[in-house]
Amino acid sequence: DAGVIQSPRHEVTEMGQEVTLRCKPISGHDYLFWYRQTMMRGLELLIYFNNNVPIDDSGMPEDRFSAKMPNASFSTLKIQPSEPRDSAVYFCASSYTGTGANVLTFGAGSRLTVL
Amino acid sequence: GIQVEQSPPDLILQEGANSTLRCNFSDSVNNLQWFHQNPWGQLINLFYIPSGTKQNGRLSATTVATERYSLLYISSSQTTDSGVYFCAVDYGNNRLAFGKGNQVVVIP
Repeated sequence: DAGVIQSPRHEVTEMGQEVTLRCKPISGHDYLFWYRQTMMRGLELLIYFNNNVPIDDSGMPEDRFSAKMPNASFSTLKIQPSEPRDSAVYFCASSYTGTGANVLTFGAGSRLTVL
Repeated sequence: GIQVEQSPPDLILQEGANSTLRCNFSDSVNNLQWFHQNPWGQLINLFYIPSGTKQNGRLSATTVATERYSLLYISSSQTTDSGVYFCAVDYGNNRLAFGKGNQVVVIP
């Protein structure tokens, strides 16, 4: 398997623009997580899905953030409108809990810079 | 929410030295994982270790769940061990909370 695939790897945009980050989890994994990493706050869980259903979005900072998982092989995280404080690295991770363990595999991350 | 504290925050090692990283957590957890973030930002899962001891090459980890801590041992460190080591604990429903990490620099 190619692992968790994220795109784009880097995104530079201007304040007010819409940003869409994409994630392809590992085939067969039943959980998908979106994390954000900043120097100030470290790694924060934004939202996660189980079998494509959003389970907990309490970490989503504002209504400007939304996430979808239309099928088992694709998820998006959208920020509209973007603000400079959204600048961060956004990670997607997936896991398979069928063995009883929830071992996360992370994608390479999408580095977002909002000017 | 659950607190995850890692120590020391920063560590400089001479190549070949051994080191121990510590993770304390404030509540009972279902599982605990250690990750390594390399200088390019990639997060790699090192151990899934809710309790007991595991070894993988020069790395080993021990979790004492009843006392709410875990240790990561790096033996005979190499420059490729540089990066940030994160402890993450499952605080329910498969959600992981991360510590702030141990920044490790191994110098040749």
